Amino acid sequence: AQSVTQPDIHITVSEGASLELRCNYSYGATPYLFWYVQSPGQGLQLLLKYFSGDTLVQGIKGFEAEFKRSQSSFNLRKPSVHWSDAAEYFCAVGASGNTGKLIFGQGTTLQVKP
Amino acid sequence: AAGVIQSPRHLIKEKRETATLKCYPIPRHDTVYWYQQGPGQDPQFLISFYEKMQSDKGSIPDRFSAQQFSDYHSELNMSSLELGDSALYFCASSFPGLPRTQYFGPGTRLLVL
Repeated sequence: AQSVTQPDIHITVSEGASLELRCNYSYGATPYLFWYVQSPGQGLQLLLKYFSGDTLVQGIKGFEAEFKRSQSSFNLRKPSVHWSDAAEYFCAVGASGNTGKLIFGQGTTLQVKP
Repeated sequence: AAGVIQSPRHLIKEKRETATLKCYPIPRHDTVYWYQQGPGQDPQFLISFYEKMQSDKGSIPDRFSAQQFSDYHSELNMSSLELGDSALYFCASSFPGLPRTQYFGPGTRLLVL
């Protein structure tokens, strides 16, 4: 069965420090992978996605993610975190076929220290 | 750019009442998805519609039903509401073609008292 694991429930980093959020997936075929960000009480905003090709993908707000098939991972990174990045981050895998429903990880809450 | 519209944004109901949530997808998007996010939980897929036909079904209670209309908007109908139905309900839509990228609306926060 398809699944997504985000091992870190909560991460705290200092403003200006680098960030890496981990995501591991379980999926039989080539996965379609996404990172979404959710601010408190808000909707889900797409940060970036991976479908195929270059395994390093760039997203909005200075985020990037690297797809590593050998490790079944799709970790999200940012070189320098801003206080406005504090939010909850969800990794998701898209099911194959025409439906494309998303299966989400448990989420990682990012806190940014001044 | 146009986004997914959901209404209402907030809804308070009593147990055993009925609620209807509406979703207006981004123009030219042909697929609509509904997700439920409980407090502190990740979003869980409920149901999806492609070209007005149900395309996939997840963990949606039998008390819930949904449909997509000719103008592509969708409605999620929830009957015999229970306390546990209190959650944030998201609608997402995607553009034709594979693979699909889902764009989410702001959600409807439902509180059942």
